[in-house]
Amino acid sequence: SQKIEQNSEALNIQEGKTATLTCNYTNYSPAYLQWYRQDPGRGPVFLLLIRENEKEKRKERLKVTFDTTLKQSLFHITASQPADSATYLCASSGSGNTGKLIFGQGTTLQVKP
Amino acid sequence: SQTIHQWPATLVQPVGSPLSLECTVEGTSNPNLYWYRQAAGRGLQLLFYSVGIGQISSEVPQNLSASRPQDRQFILSSKKLLLSDSGFYLCAWSPPGGYSNQPQHFGDGTRLSIL
Repeated sequence: SQKIEQNSEALNIQEGKTATLTCNYTNYSPAYLQWYRQDPGRGPVFLLLIRENEKEKRKERLKVTFDTTLKQSLFHITASQPADSATYLCASSGSGNTGKLIFGQGTTLQVKP
Repeated sequence: SQTIHQWPATLVQPVGSPLSLECTVEGTSNPNLYWYRQAAGRGLQLLFYSVGIGQISSEVPQNLSASRPQDRQFILSSKKLLLSDSGFYLCAWSPPGGYSNQPQHFGDGTRLSIL
């Protein structure tokens, strides 16, 4: 079955460093990958979308890559700040362009001052 | 601009009681609507998906049902709640067309606890 996985262990980094989060998918080839931020007790907020024919996408301090050979997406936050602390969710399109997304379980990022 | 409202924010219900969670979207027409459940430390599990009034797709067999009586209203219901129905319920919308290149926009969820 189609599966998308993120590192379930929390990522702790020092303020100012670059945070890198990983998303791996198996048994399918999504046309798109999306990244969301979720704060405790709140709904996820969309951050970035990357297409399978795009290697990299940037938005301010955020960068997403999409490697179809490794079946992996990396999400980078440069010059991280304590306000970046949150859970980050990776989501992909399933097979067929239906609008439905498959979500990973999320990785919690803690940025320490 | 578009907004999505979900209520209530928290709910405590006894086992066997009925449930009705409501979600409304403003500022857009004919959106795709979604209900998700999120267990603690887990990803989002898609429960129901709707592309139009009265059109509901169920993703997971379960104790819950969904309805879309109006274009921008999505309701999650149960006749008899189970302990396993506890969780964080999220409603989301995306632009019409059913395309996976569109982001989804989420409400702030309902924390449901079954006692």
